[in-house]
Amino acid sequence: KQEVTQIPAALSVPEGENLVLNCSFTDSAIYNLQWFRQDPGKGLTSLLLIQSSQREQTSGRLNASLDKSSGRSTLYIAASQPGDSATYLCAVNRGSGGGADGLTFGKGTHLIIQP
Amino acid sequence: KAGVTQTPRYLIKTRGQQVTLSCSPISGHRSVSWYQQTPGQGLQFLFEYFSETQRNKGNFPGRFSGRQFSNSRSEMNVSTLELGDSALYLCASSQTRGVNEQFFGPGTRLTVL
Repeated sequence: KQEVTQIPAALSVPEGENLVLNCSFTDSAIYNLQWFRQDPGKGLTSLLLIQSSQREQTSGRLNASLDKSSGRSTLYIAASQPGDSATYLCAVNRGSGGGADGLTFGKGTHLIIQP
Repeated sequence: KAGVTQTPRYLIKTRGQQVTLSCSPISGHRSVSWYQQTPGQGLQFLFEYFSETQRNKGNFPGRFSGRQFSNSRSEMNVSTLELGDSALYLCASSQTRGVNEQFFGPGTRLTVL
């Protein structure tokens, strides 16, 4: 059974710092990995999708890496801003026989950027 | 292009009742998945629909069911509500099955009293 772990569970840093969020998964047989952010009481916003054949993806100040063999992904946020405050979720798509098997999510990292 | 929409946004029901939630995917998206989010269990996969057929189902009791229409819109139904069904129910759509990026709606907050 796939399990996804995110460390740390919570993080509070001053504005302007660069930071790294970690995600690990137990089964390396994945189709892709997706990072989301969730604001309080809201739905999920997709940040980055990394296919299993890729090593990293970048979007603006965000960079996500994937090491499938070791079961790890990191989300790097450069020059953090108060608007980055949210819960960040990592999810893996295991796939099953060519189809989708649902996303398996970590519990998230609650990030607070202090002004 | 409009995003994923879910209705209603909030629901209050009592134990034993049933409820139907609706999800309209992004135009052109044919796969719809449903997830339950609770503080204790986090986000858990309920089921996925594609071409009006349930393709996968998570580990939830038979009280949870769903369907998809020919226009890809989807509904999920929960019968005989229990207090533990109180949660945020999220719908996600993707272009097709498998490896595509999934886009989530704002969710329906269900409270069972």
